[in-house]
Amino acid sequence: GENVEQHPSTLSVQEGDSAVIKCTYSDSASNYFPWYKQELGKGPQLIIDIRSNVGEKKDQRIAVTLNKTAKHFSLHITETQPEDSAVYFCAASTDAGKSTFGDGTTLTVKP
Amino acid sequence: GAVVSQHPSRVICKSGTSVKIECRSLDFQATTMFWYRQFPKQSLMLMATSNEGSKATYEQGVEKDKFLINHASLTLSTLTVTSAHPEDSSFYICSVSRDFSDTQYFGPGTRLTVL
Repeated sequence: GENVEQHPSTLSVQEGDSAVIKCTYSDSASNYFPWYKQELGKGPQLIIDIRSNVGEKKDQRIAVTLNKTAKHFSLHITETQPEDSAVYFCAASTDAGKSTFGDGTTLTVKP
Repeated sequence: GAVVSQHPSRVICKSGTSVKIECRSLDFQATTMFWYRQFPKQSLMLMATSNEGSKATYEQGVEKDKFLINHASLTLSTLTVTSAHPEDSSFYICSVSRDFSDTQYFGPGTRLTVL
């Protein structure tokens, strides 16, 4: 089955700096890669996603890049703010629908 | 996006009792709903996938007789934890999607504590 590895497990940045979280996947059939933000005690919230026919996608301060050859994708957050502090999960899924999640990255943005 | 609600948000029950958790898709018809459980500081673990009007598909290691899933309509799925024990204490989260391969939108989660 699919295996998704996510790094780093924790990330601390200064407000205004950029943050990058990386994920690798094993199943070459995976073609959909969402990123979720989860705040304490809440459900995950979709923040951005990318499909395999696209190499990069951007939404304001958030961007995702995908390298299908290398089987890795990354989340980039620029101009970080304290409210960006949360746990971020990557996921990979195929047309079969089932998503495999990474273990999560705890991002702390220091004011 | 999609608006997903779960009820209750938190529940405390005695060992041996059954607990029902509801997941509702408020603004679109969800053909597929997923149920996850999440332990503290861990990732989401898929328990089962349900499609409206058919039996749920359970992941390996998840007891279908203990975790009963009903997806009776395109807007409602329920998870019943039968004969709950302290080890069932966890954060249970549902997600919905328009079809099996589409984007998943998550509910706010239900914190279950079994005494």
